[in-house]
Amino acid sequence: EDKVVQSPLSLVVHEGDTVTLNCSYEVTNFRSLLWYKQEKKAPTFLFMLTSSGIEKKSGRLSSILDKKELFSILNITATQTGDSAIYLCAVIGSSNTGKLIFGQGTTLQVKP
Amino acid sequence: DAGVIQSPRHEVTEMGQEVTLRCKPISGHNSLFWYRQTMMRGLELLIYFNNNVPIDDSGMPEDRFSAKMPNASFSTLKIQPSEPRDSAVYFCASSFQVRDWDTGELFFGEGSRLTVL
Repeated sequence: EDKVVQSPLSLVVHEGDTVTLNCSYEVTNFRSLLWYKQEKKAPTFLFMLTSSGIEKKSGRLSSILDKKELFSILNITATQTGDSAIYLCAVIGSSNTGKLIFGQGTTLQVKP
Repeated sequence: DAGVIQSPRHEVTEMGQEVTLRCKPISGHNSLFWYRQTMMRGLELLIYFNNNVPIDDSGMPEDRFSAKMPNASFSTLKIQPSEPRDSAVYFCASSFQVRDWDTGELFFGEGSRLTVL
């Protein structure tokens, strides 16, 4: 069965800290991995990764994929209170006919 | 663009009642997804439509749940009869899918929070 496991499940840091969120997966015929950020309401898209070793970057957030070891990390540098959210990892495999399988999410709290 | 629109935003109902959740996807998107989110189980895919056709409904919990997409701009998720364990936030999401495995970026609605007493 396809699955996505995120760690840690929750994390509390202080402003300015750097955090690394982990996502490991098992999926048939992996196609892509996506990261989403969920604040109070709907998840919003951060990154889509399809190739190993190529870093995607957006401001203080960056992500990289390792298709050999079947994991991805999401880094946030110089964290701010506005980064507090649930970070969701999802994967698509060819057997999934296009559907995203989500992990449980990592709840990040950034304290002032 | 108004984004994915869901209604109602909140619904409180009693066990045994019928619940209908509605979704209007982003115009031009050809894929629509219904997800359910709970603290215990996270985001679970219930059903997925492509070009208005149900592609995968393996996540639909049981016969009490049904979903329809009569046209490209409207979908419903119905629960009949509802039970307390159905309490959750139900998200609708849409995307433009190019290949059969390429869902692309999902755009989520703001969710319908359902409480079944």
